[in-house]
Amino acid sequence: QVQLVQSGAEVKKPGASVKVSCMASGFTFTRHGIHWVRQAPGQGLEWMGWVNAVDGDTRYSQKFQGRVTLTRDTSASTAYMELTSLTSEDTAAYYCARNFFGLASTDYWGQGTLVTVSS
Amino acid sequence: DIQMTQSPSSLSASVGDSVTITCRASQGISNSLAWYQQKPGKVPILLIYAASTLQSGVPSRFSGSGSGTDFTLTVSSLQPEDVATYYCQNCASAPFTFGQGTKLEIK
Repeated sequence: QVQLVQSGAEVKKPGASVKVSCMASGFTFTRHGIHWVRQAPGQGLEWMGWVNAVDGDTRYSQKFQGRVTLTRDTSASTAYMELTSLTSEDTAAYYCARNFFGLASTDYWGQGTLVTVSS
Repeated sequence: DIQMTQSPSSLSASVGDSVTITCRASQGISNSLAWYQQKPGKVPILLIYAASTLQSGVPSRFSGSGSGTDFTLTVSSLQPEDVATYYCQNCASAPFTFGQGTKLEIK
């Protein structure tokens, strides 16, 4: 069955970086893009970016441009999201999700990775 | 960037009622819209894609319509398990922005 399994919770200090992984199984990784979405506590969903698993092409939200890097390792069927220069406002659950239809409809989501930024 | 505006922000209805959530895009996106349901503490679930296509496994009481800038999600015959927050998403062009969400409760 299709699964996206994310790395575990992280606690970071302001100014640090975090790298979250998203390991795919149950489907051909290189046939789908992977989106990254975050959700701050009690808040809505916020789209961060997308990586094409075929060629590594990326699109980013302007809000995170320069701070976020999306990559993938096709040999490991794993996508990565790295966010730098963390502040307390980056405290959120970070999700990866499989592109299912068109450019952005996503049908399978990872379980989420809670990133807490605190001094 | 395309902005997505949902209304209402919250609503309360009785079991068996029909409810409608509206999503408006700041510019035309054809039928490139998805709807998600997120229950408390859970991961979002895709309900509808391409504005009106029901995702496999989703109950038929959910339906979507619209094109261009105005879209609706309708839940007919509301069930207790439909308590959740619902989000629309622009799927036409990056950034693939979400609406702010509509919280649905049972009276």
